[in-house]
Amino acid sequence: KAGVTQTPRYLIKTRGQQVTLSCSPISGHRSVSWYQQTPGQGLQFLFEYFSETQRNKGNFPGRFSGRQFSNSRSEMNVSTLELGDSALYLCASSLVPGGGTDTQYFGPGTRLTVL
Amino acid sequence: AQSVTQLGSHVSVSEGALVLLRCNYSSSVPPYLFWYVQYPNQGLQLLLKYTTGATLVKGINGFEAEFKKSETSFHLTKPSAHMSDAAEYFCAVFAGSNTGKLIFGQGTTLQVKP
Repeated sequence: KAGVTQTPRYLIKTRGQQVTLSCSPISGHRSVSWYQQTPGQGLQFLFEYFSETQRNKGNFPGRFSGRQFSNSRSEMNVSTLELGDSALYLCASSLVPGGGTDTQYFGPGTRLTVL
Repeated sequence: AQSVTQLGSHVSVSEGALVLLRCNYSSSVPPYLFWYVQYPNQGLQLLLKYTTGATLVKGINGFEAEFKKSETSFHLTKPSAHMSDAAEYFCAVFAGSNTGKLIFGQGTTLQVKP
């Protein structure tokens, strides 16, 4: 069974631009979560989607948004990019939402660099 | 509120030596605890998890962790380090279904010396 895939793997943007990242969960998984990883802040939760609905959102500005499609694939969008948005963005999928007893499986991430 | 503290941002061991990576948690409810490993330029791979039941949890690649409620700890161990174990390790606690998120520690980089 294929793992979580994320595209693109690397991305370079300039300040003020917007970017869209894509995540395809493991087949059969309906829950997708997004995390931002930076050297300074570590791993921080962005949001969680299940059945095309955002269930939870982390403490990030409104420039960060996401959505989930009927096939469970998810996208996240960052508008008006800032230098501080440079990070590794990780997507995780699980069978059911909540990520408690159910394991979250992570993709390889998208490395975003904002110049 | 839940939180995780990993003691030691860098740990260095010799090949064949015991690996001990420390993790303490804070949780107002019975915790679900996880250890993930991250190799350079890769995502997170689950090593092991504790939900309920046996407090000694065995994971992949020879790693294990023991849940100690009295000490609020979930330390990761491996009897004999391999060069391939060099990576960054993250301890995480599930913050509850009302948040849906994992709360991660700051990570511990494991260096294995030949």
